[in-house]
Amino acid sequence: RKEVEQDPGPFNVPEGATVAFNCTYSNSASQSFFWYRQDCRKEPKLLMSVYSSGNEDGRFTAQLNRASQYISLLIRDSKLSDSATYLCVVTSYNQGGKLIFGQGTELSVKP
Amino acid sequence: GAGVSQSPRYKVAKRGQDVALRCDPISGHVSLFWYQQALGQGPEFLTYFQNEAQLDKSGLPSDRFFAERPEGSVSTLKIQRTQQEDSAVYLCASSLGGTLWGVQETQYFGPGTRLLVL
Repeated sequence: RKEVEQDPGPFNVPEGATVAFNCTYSNSASQSFFWYRQDCRKEPKLLMSVYSSGNEDGRFTAQLNRASQYISLLIRDSKLSDSATYLCVVTSYNQGGKLIFGQGTELSVKP
Repeated sequence: GAGVSQSPRYKVAKRGQDVALRCDPISGHVSLFWYQQALGQGPEFLTYFQNEAQLDKSGLPSDRFFAERPEGSVSTLKIQRTQQEDSAVYLCASSLGGTLWGVQETQYFGPGTRLLVL
């Protein structure tokens, strides 16, 4: 079983839709949590960090449930430019800062 | 400002050849990471440097893989006797420090080197 698991998708949604991605992690010592975005044939880029209290950045909302070891990302009012792969990422104190990535969830927003 | 750069961007190798992949981190960044990303998968950790010290090489898949960062800046990932399963994108990332006050510092990724082994 992989340490970080995501539904690979693809998620095909119309413009303006709300879409939610889920992620689970198995290491209870995980310390920091992120969502990265990766465009086709490009490098991953940090989208947002995820905090226990939940956090919002414009149309994007991230939630963390430590008890359930579950992370989510909600995208409201989807834009064509949101089409990308969304990677769930965790790190742990005892793993020296390396990023542990999920498989990624592919999102395709259609006109 | 300049980001992380990697060279070459593309590399085609015949099975059995040795390859060397270069990473130039952001100037002043202490930490440097190498990741391998197979098609359709998320990146997987290979190795980590803090300055010139290789602190973690637990992700290197075999002894054919070797990485160095002799002066604490540029890093080279070398793969000896390449195999078809080595075909992947090799990503380098750097961060300013390591873990600052318990908060993971942002890692900035380079564009990657796409390696195809025939």
